[in-house]
Amino acid sequence: ILNVEQSPQSLHVQEGDSTNFTCSFPSSNFYALHWYRWETAKSPEALFVMTLNGDEKKKGRISATLNTKEGYSYLYIKGSQPEDSATYLCARKGRAGGTSYGKLTFGQGTILTVHP
Amino acid sequence: DTAVSQTPKYLVTQMGNDKSIKCEQNLGHDTMYWYKQDSKKFLKIMFSYNNKELIINETVPNRFSPKSPDKAHLNLHINSLELGDSAVYFCASSQRVSGVFSYEQYFGPGTRLTVT
Repeated sequence: ILNVEQSPQSLHVQEGDSTNFTCSFPSSNFYALHWYRWETAKSPEALFVMTLNGDEKKKGRISATLNTKEGYSYLYIKGSQPEDSATYLCARKGRAGGTSYGKLTFGQGTILTVHP
Repeated sequence: DTAVSQTPKYLVTQMGNDKSIKCEQNLGHDTMYWYKQDSKKFLKIMFSYNNKELIINETVPNRFSPKSPDKAHLNLHINSLELGDSAVYFCASSQRVSGVFSYEQYFGPGTRLTVT
C-alpha cells in the first residue's frame, strides 16, 4: 500500500446499529495514526492519535485499534446515533529523519450517515 | 473562544490577482500548517511552520508563500491566482511532535477560495 486508503467510501446505517470502517496505510517508517471526525460545514476534529502496535483507544461509543505491522486501523462506533453522521478521516504520520517532523497523509474519508 | 481562526471565510477573486489568507491560533501551539482540500476532497499538506521556521514544504507552485510573523500566526499569500487554485484552504495547529508523542491537529474553519 502506497497511500492511505479508507473503506468503505460511504456507509448508511440505522440508528442503534454498530458499525466499523477501515484505514489501510504503508507500514514502513510508520510514526502515528490519527483519526478525525469531520461534520458538514465544520472543521475536522481529532478523535484519536495512536502510535504503538496494538494500541486501542476509546471515547464514549467510539473506539479504534491499530496494527502497525500489517498497516491498518479500525474505527468502531457502537449504537450509532444520527449525530454520529460525519466524514471520518484517518491520517498517517511517517517518520522524517531524526526530527520526527513527518507530515500527515490523509485518506479520502468514510462518509457515515445514520438514519433515525 | 475560537481556537484556530481564519480570515476571510470566503474569497472570490479574478485570475491574476494576489491575495492573502490569515490564520491565528490561541492554543499556545508552536506548529502550524496549511492544507488544501483538493477536488476529490482530500486534505493535502502544503506547508508547516514550527516556531516561525519552515519545516514542511510540499511541492506547491512558488506562487504560494507562507509567512509566520510569530508562532501564533501563519499567513498564506498567493500571487497571480489561477483557476486551479480554487479550493478550500485549511489552517491547523498542534504541539510539536517530540519523543513518542504525535499530537492531534486543530483545524480552522477553512477559507473557500474561488478564482474566476
